[in-house]
Amino acid sequence: GAGVSQSPRYKVAKRGQDVALRCDPISGHVSLFWYQQALGQGPEFLTYFQNEAQLDKSGLPSDRFFAERPEGSVSTLKIQRTQQEDSAVYLCASSSGQGAYNEQFFGPGTRLTVL
Amino acid sequence: GDSVTQMEGPVTLSEEAFLTINCTYTATGYPSLFWYVQYPGEGLQLLLKATKADDKGSNKGFEATYRKETTSFHLEKGSVQVSDSAVYFCARWNTGNQFYFGTGTSLTVIP
Repeated sequence: GAGVSQSPRYKVAKRGQDVALRCDPISGHVSLFWYQQALGQGPEFLTYFQNEAQLDKSGLPSDRFFAERPEGSVSTLKIQRTQQEDSAVYLCASSSGQGAYNEQFFGPGTRLTVL
Repeated sequence: GDSVTQMEGPVTLSEEAFLTINCTYTATGYPSLFWYVQYPGEGLQLLLKATKADDKGSNKGFEATYRKETTSFHLEKGSVQVSDSAVYFCARWNTGNQFYFGTGTSLTVIP
């Protein structure tokens, strides 16, 4: 497809379960970002990849959050031992240039609900 | 710390009304400023941007001017349409890889 895709679109997890969220960026895009968007809030930065290198993970809220992009294309955000406060929409964005200055193209997001 | 503050919504306007959505920022240095829009059922997309003081970003009839003296980047449109109904996010980038978004302002335009 032409845009950024994310799967699943909706995920319901029981507290304590592990989840994996997938992002397929636009083909050839160097940069990939993950954001967390709580209800009624703007997106908050989680982590940034340039190709396969994770250059910034300062926004990850705890060591239960882990992201990877092993081949510089598809990325997975993993949350271990989910907690209710992890409930949010997780957004992925990609851009053709390096860093956050360039236009970011966003996916539709994955809505995670932790019961 | 660095942040972006948007006017709270929701905002409801009649078609052809004038729109202003306020955005102010705090930041060290000279950030680049952006407006992103999220239409119903779609992902966020860039609406316009400005990279230095006094720059004006414009797109689809929307405009925003980077005002350093008031640290503002207010979004305006002279005549809104029903199709402009969406959530609008102000955002800033200074250095590094982090984007800071405001909380979003929901706009509904009624015929």
